[in-house]
Amino acid sequence: DAGITQSPRHKVTETGTPVTLRCHQTENHRYMYWYRQDPGHGLRLIHYSYGVKDTDKGEVSDGYSVSRSKTEDFLLTLESATSSQTSVYFCAIEQDTLPNEQYFGPGTRLTVT
Amino acid sequence: AQTVTQSQPEMSVQEAETVTLSCTYDTSESDYYLFWYKQPPSRQMILVIRQEAYKQQNATENRFSVNFQKAAKSFSLKISDSQLGDAAMYFCAYRSASGTASKLTFGTGTRLQVTL
Repeated sequence: DAGITQSPRHKVTETGTPVTLRCHQTENHRYMYWYRQDPGHGLRLIHYSYGVKDTDKGEVSDGYSVSRSKTEDFLLTLESATSSQTSVYFCAIEQDTLPNEQYFGPGTRLTVT
Repeated sequence: AQTVTQSQPEMSVQEAETVTLSCTYDTSESDYYLFWYKQPPSRQMILVIRQEAYKQQNATENRFSVNFQKAAKSFSLKISDSQLGDAAMYFCAYRSASGTASKLTFGTGTRLQVTL
């Protein structure tokens, strides 16, 4: 167990509302990632962080923002949720030593109606 | 950009038998890592096995082994003595070894069914 939790685990929200998903780690790893999982696509990177207040975009970042004010927390925000953002969201942390394996949280199922 | 292809959406194996899941990838890099992740119905992503591209020896973890063919850009997973608990989605993933904060690129997954 890599000490990663995600909250909430399930959420149903309406189109146009803001949503924030939280990822919390207990092991002070530098790199953290947000992925989304959709049928037929595997997991795709949304945003990642390489330190407090240091973040960058992934391949599917439109409509999402992130923040990292503490090493242990990485927040993903949907400013105005759309139905296309219905998905399962995974947070991952990366080991600080080679081979830098990534370990995943339990996931959050988000439904936008 | 790197791509990962899993051409078998679903596979089935009888308990105690052996099954091989296929994965191919495309990259222009020479140094990278390849992974297989397992996702059971609980949805948790579990790292099964890792292969470093610079190693010629195929990785093995208990009943799980890989056949890594670097020239062919092929990375298959063999599960021996299949058990009911092996039933899951399996994802192949690629990660560059250069730079930092290198993302994982995933295939679309293979759903493995294990029958009695």
